Amino acid sequence: DAKTTQPPSMDCAEGRAANLPCNHSTISGNEYVYWYRQIHSQGPQYIIHGLKNNETNEMASLIITEDRKSSTLILPHATLRDTAVYYCIVKGYSTLTFGKGTMLLVSP
Amino acid sequence: SAVISQKPSRDICQRGTSLTIQCQVDSQVTMMFWYRQQPGQSLTLIATANQGSEATYESGFVIDKFPISRPNLTFSTLTVSNMSPEDSSIYLCSALLASSGNTIYFGEGSWLTVV
Repeated sequence: DAKTTQPPSMDCAEGRAANLPCNHSTISGNEYVYWYRQIHSQGPQYIIHGLKNNETNEMASLIITEDRKSSTLILPHATLRDTAVYYCIVKGYSTLTFGKGTMLLVSP
Repeated sequence: SAVISQKPSRDICQRGTSLTIQCQVDSQVTMMFWYRQQPGQSLTLIATANQGSEATYESGFVIDKFPISRPNLTFSTLTVSNMSPEDSSIYLCSALLASSGNTIYFGEGSWLTVV
């Protein structure tokens, strides 16, 4: 699976949009981009995934660049409960390989 | 999505003993996985639990230390054998749900402390 690069931490004000970037320059054609988050040692929670089109669900939006070498997860109106470690993972037919993720801190 | 239940959620174990963690999924799934998360670290895949055959272990993990069973399409167990304090971790069960675009879902984890 392709490796990903994420900033180790980010801050966001409550009510504002949180934009979490991820670089995956070695992604191959059959690999999807997945996002999970983990709130304080709970089990990782699935957020969203995509192949090449932008995706949106009730939790977030995923923007994938046209060359698929990077993506951005957008939480449109961050709340305090969105404070968590966010993992960007590139997955083909194999399992999920977790990196260190981005620690997002949402402040009042 | 899938509901994945793990038992126990938390336990304190004596060194040298073994503990079995159970994982139950609320629907039939093709693939189940076990991860370990040591304190302050990210998740590391231990093995893929194969239904009807031996589990497939990742580098650094062996069957004698982490025996895994998967008797059917909704249930799996992970045993942590002959525990030492270094085994103190969160152990997470996960499952691939084909009906949700091959998305992998996780249980809430089993937090083991070895004393």
